[in-house]
Amino acid sequence: NAGVTQTPKFRILKIGQSMTLQCTQDMNHNYMYWYRQDPGMGLKLIYYSVGAGITDKGEVPNGYNVSRSTTEDFPLRLELAAPSQTSVYFCASSYGQRGGLETQYFGPGTRLLVL
Amino acid sequence: LAKTTQPISMDSYEGQEVNITCSHNNIATNDYITWYQQFPSQGPRFIIQGYKTKVTNEVASLFIPADRKSSTLSLPRVSLSDTAVYYCLVGDTDNAGNNRKLIWGLGTSLAVNP
Repeated sequence: NAGVTQTPKFRILKIGQSMTLQCTQDMNHNYMYWYRQDPGMGLKLIYYSVGAGITDKGEVPNGYNVSRSTTEDFPLRLELAAPSQTSVYFCASSYGQRGGLETQYFGPGTRLLVL
Repeated sequence: LAKTTQPISMDSYEGQEVNITCSHNNIATNDYITWYQQFPSQGPRFIIQGYKTKVTNEVASLFIPADRKSSTLSLPRVSLSDTAVYYCLVGDTDNAGNNRKLIWGLGTSLAVNP
């Protein structure tokens, strides 16, 4: 199993541009998550999904959108990139039997720089 | 709203036992406490999870007092490769049991010295 994969690994965006961060998991997990991690800081939940077709906001959803059309994929969309969105983005997945407090498996991250 | 508090950093030496405590005063009644390890440029990795008393696995122990307002991650005989950031994770809900949130600590940066 590849686990959780994310693309791209690194991206530079200009202010106002848009992009989609891709996330795929092959573990048949119900739950998927998007986090951002600013330098020297902890993780902040952006959006999460408890199954295909179901998404919900996390702690910092403004400026982002998500969709979950399949169990495997959970893309994160930035519509109008802003410097405040410069961060490292992690995707994670889990079975969901404890509502997110079960083991979450993380991808390698996408480093985004908005200039 | 639950909030977690961890020391920002800790220093240790190889072979020592390291204990990292996370305070979580308003943890939800039914929620577990989970700890993760993160190396630079990598995603966090699950270490251990518990609900109460003591849990032990091949890499760590987790001590949770009866009131569950804190938890202590114990790393026995640390090595240089244990240098990482350690996060605690708890859950929280509002008084009606809704609006569930995952509350991550800010992390404890552990430096293991030779």
